[in-house]
Amino acid sequence: NAGVTQTPKFQVLKTGQSMTLQCAQDMNHEYMSWYRQDPGMGLRLIHYSVGAGITDQGEVPNGYNVSRSTTEDFPLRLLSAAPSQTSVYFCASRSGDQPQHFGDGTRLSIL
Amino acid sequence: GQSLEQPSEVTAVEGAIVQINCTYQTSGFYGLSWYQQHDGGAPTFLSYNALDGLEETGRFSSFLSRSDSYGYLLLQELQMKDSASYFCAVRPPQRDSGAGSYQLTFGKGTKLSVIP
Repeated sequence: NAGVTQTPKFQVLKTGQSMTLQCAQDMNHEYMSWYRQDPGMGLRLIHYSVGAGITDQGEVPNGYNVSRSTTEDFPLRLLSAAPSQTSVYFCASRSGDQPQHFGDGTRLSIL
Repeated sequence: GQSLEQPSEVTAVEGAIVQINCTYQTSGFYGLSWYQQHDGGAPTFLSYNALDGLEETGRFSSFLSRSDSYGYLLLQELQMKDSASYFCAVRPPQRDSGAGSYQLTFGKGTKLSVIP
């Protein structure tokens, strides 16, 4: 039972590079979200999805794109990385009012 | 928009009891959740109050008062392993949330340090 799996765990990018953070869940959860966590800022919602084919913006969406082609996968794309996007990124999923499950996080540094 | 307020840091002695408060700046919300996060780790679910009152799970209890938009997490018989950050989270009413009512909004977290 893998739960929520994020890859990679660590990544260093140069300013202007693009990359995709992967997230997969095997619990058939309809809701999936991406958060970023910065010191003293808590967890801030970037984008979320309420089901396959449906996505919407959260609190801090600028600079990020998402897609949800399947129930299982919810990748987060950085189109042109900026130092301000240095952060720890968490993917999460849940079903209805059940508890939210988080992946182990991706620690991203933009130089 | 909505916001949740928690103390940024709390220090308590091993074996003692500590209460971490959370207030929400809106007239209503769908239940209050608590998550624990150890340094370098992922947040993990602790408890959920859908209704007013006290929920108990072992050494941890959580309380909610909807009329006061207030809740707290109570940790008893503190252990060194309880040193972590604790986040309250709510699912706000749709009219208050630019992100819709489906997703959780988290407080900034309370860093609990348990000392011998």
